[in-house]
Amino acid sequence: QKEVEQDPGPLSVPEGAIVSLNCTYSNSAFQYFMWYRQYSRKGPELLMYTYSSGNKEDGRFTAQVDKSSKYISLFIRDSQPSDSATYLCATASGTYKYIFGTGTRLKVLA
Amino acid sequence: DAGVIQSPRHEVTEMGQEVTLRCKPISGHDYLFWYRQTMMRGLELLIYFNNNVPIDDSGMPEDRFSAKMPNASFSTLKIQPSEPRDSAVYFCASSETGVTQPQHFGDGTRLSIL
Repeated sequence: QKEVEQDPGPLSVPEGAIVSLNCTYSNSAFQYFMWYRQYSRKGPELLMYTYSSGNKEDGRFTAQVDKSSKYISLFIRDSQPSDSATYLCATASGTYKYIFGTGTRLKVLA
Repeated sequence: DAGVIQSPRHEVTEMGQEVTLRCKPISGHDYLFWYRQTMMRGLELLIYFNNNVPIDDSGMPEDRFSAKMPNASFSTLKIQPSEPRDSAVYFCASSETGVTQPQHFGDGTRLSIL
């Protein structure tokens, strides 16, 4: 079993839709949770960073962590074609060693 | 501000050849990371450095892989001899000290071993 599981998609939604992206993880020691966005042929860029459980909001993006069920989510409101990318979740247990999911490809249709 | 700079962007070479990937981290960042990304396994950490010293190389797949950081502004990842299964995108990232500091990625080197 992988330490971080993520549905690869692709996920296609119409412009303006609310997008929900999800990951599950297996190690209860993970305390730090990140979401990265990766455009084609580019490096990942950090979108959201959360510590422990709870919600964090930044503009159209909301990250949610449920440590009891080992489930992390990223919600994108009012999705735009420019949001089309691969979204990677990542976790860490307090060291610099990030464990990444394999990514979910998102396509927002105009 | 310059981000993490990697070279070359693309490398195509034949099996058995030596491959050297290069990385210049963001100035002032104490940590440098080398990752490999494939469709099957996603993004995997190979090795990371703190203040030019290797801290964790447990992700380096084989002895054919080696990494160095001779100074704060330069690192190399070398594969010798290369094999077709080494084909992947290799990313370098850097961060400031502190687990809460984000890792900033370069745009990667797309490596194809024929």
